[in-house]
Amino acid sequence: KNQVEQSPQSLIILEGKNCTLQCNYTVSPFSNLRWYKQDTGRGPVSLTIMTFSENTKSNGRYTATLDADTKQSSLHITASQLSDSASYICVVSAAGANNLFFGTGTRLTVIP
Amino acid sequence: GAVVSQHPSWVICKSGTSVKIECRSLDFQATTMFWYRQFPKQSLMLMATSNEGSKATYEQGVEKDKFLINHASLTLSTLTVTSAHPEDSSFYICSARTDVSSYNEQFFGPGTRLTVL
Repeated sequence: KNQVEQSPQSLIILEGKNCTLQCNYTVSPFSNLRWYKQDTGRGPVSLTIMTFSENTKSNGRYTATLDADTKQSSLHITASQLSDSASYICVVSAAGANNLFFGTGTRLTVIP
Repeated sequence: GAVVSQHPSWVICKSGTSVKIECRSLDFQATTMFWYRQFPKQSLMLMATSNEGSKATYEQGVEKDKFLINHASLTLSTLTVTSAHPEDSSFYICSARTDVSSYNEQFFGPGTRLTVL
């Protein structure tokens, strides 16, 4: 069964600190994995996207990693800001398929 | 580039009325559009996939007669919630994809908050 699991479910960190969010998936055959940021009441916005052959991708203070062998990905946020408070969703695309498989997200709250 | 808009951004209606939500791709032609529903603290759930000029494909458990989808042009898809009831209250998000999208990428709209009283 194609599934995407994220941890932790929620996280509270102090402004300026780093954090790492995890994503495990069982989607097969794998095509690509993306991390999205979703602010409350808004649609998801793409942060990074990685294919099978890529094991790291950065976008400013966001760095995603991918281990296709263990089917794990992480999103590392450096020097967090209050505006990073949002839900972060891991989404995996299966090869040859229309559909995307969504994780349930990690709710990040950055406090001053 | 790759901007998707939705209208309205929020709507409140009485039980039994119908509500139409528009999804537009502003700077590209969307051969495929997707409609999602998201309940509080949950992830997006795919409702249906629509290709321009053809009937939508609905996910299991989604009533096609209740959620009418029209994808009449390459830049516009509409979702009509017919005879809405309080349990239809949710956050509805559309996404759009082109034939030449890299990585099967979908571009998401900002969402529409529907509240049925």
